[in-house]
Amino acid sequence: GAGVSQSPSNKVTEKGKDVELRCDPISGHTALYWYRQSLGQGLEFLIYFQGNSAPDKSGLPSDRFSAERTGGSVSTLTIQRTQQEDSAVYLCASSLIAGGKNNEQFFGPGTRLTVL
Amino acid sequence: DQQVKQNSPSLSVQEGRISILNCDYTNSMFDYFLWYKKYPAEGPTFLISISSIKDKNEDGRFTVFLNKSAKHLSLHIVPSQPGDSAVYFCAATDSGTYKYIFGTGTRLKVLA
Repeated sequence: GAGVSQSPSNKVTEKGKDVELRCDPISGHTALYWYRQSLGQGLEFLIYFQGNSAPDKSGLPSDRFSAERTGGSVSTLTIQRTQQEDSAVYLCASSLIAGGKNNEQFFGPGTRLTVL
Repeated sequence: DQQVKQNSPSLSVQEGRISILNCDYTNSMFDYFLWYKKYPAEGPTFLISISSIKDKNEDGRFTVFLNKSAKHLSLHIVPSQPGDSAVYFCAATDSGTYKYIFGTGTRLKVLA
């Protein structure tokens, strides 16, 4: 498939457990983004990668959230000690480069996280 | 502080009629605007964009209008089709950066 893929599609976990969410961007896309959509809200920016570096982590809600990207490709978003307010759909997107016009971000289907 | 606002959470339109979705922004640094469409259980898909140097961009049934002085943009869908039923997100960016700021979305329902 040529699109952005994410796994798992759904994750139910208990409060206090750690979770890992995975994103496979479109091949050749150097920029990768993580967003979160809580119920009734817009897409909230979390973090962005250019290659394997994350120049902007300002959107991460707390130090329980971290992300890494390896080989300029796959990215993992880790949430430690999950809380109920972490329940949301986590969306990954990629683009050929970061920024600029006519350089749209392509989104994956998202991971729906439910923290009980 | 919401920099991009979609004040109508939902809209219902009869098939064949025009759908108009609105979006307002506050940051005058934004110079590139996009509309994404989202079906349930899928990620948003890019629909159409407009640069601040234009006031209109058209792609088939979809037209985006930009009024910079009012900091307002709108998406027109003509004619509306049942398959257009989805949530539409407006996004804005300063193209010198990478960050898209999204609105909260408008759920469009096209009635057959």
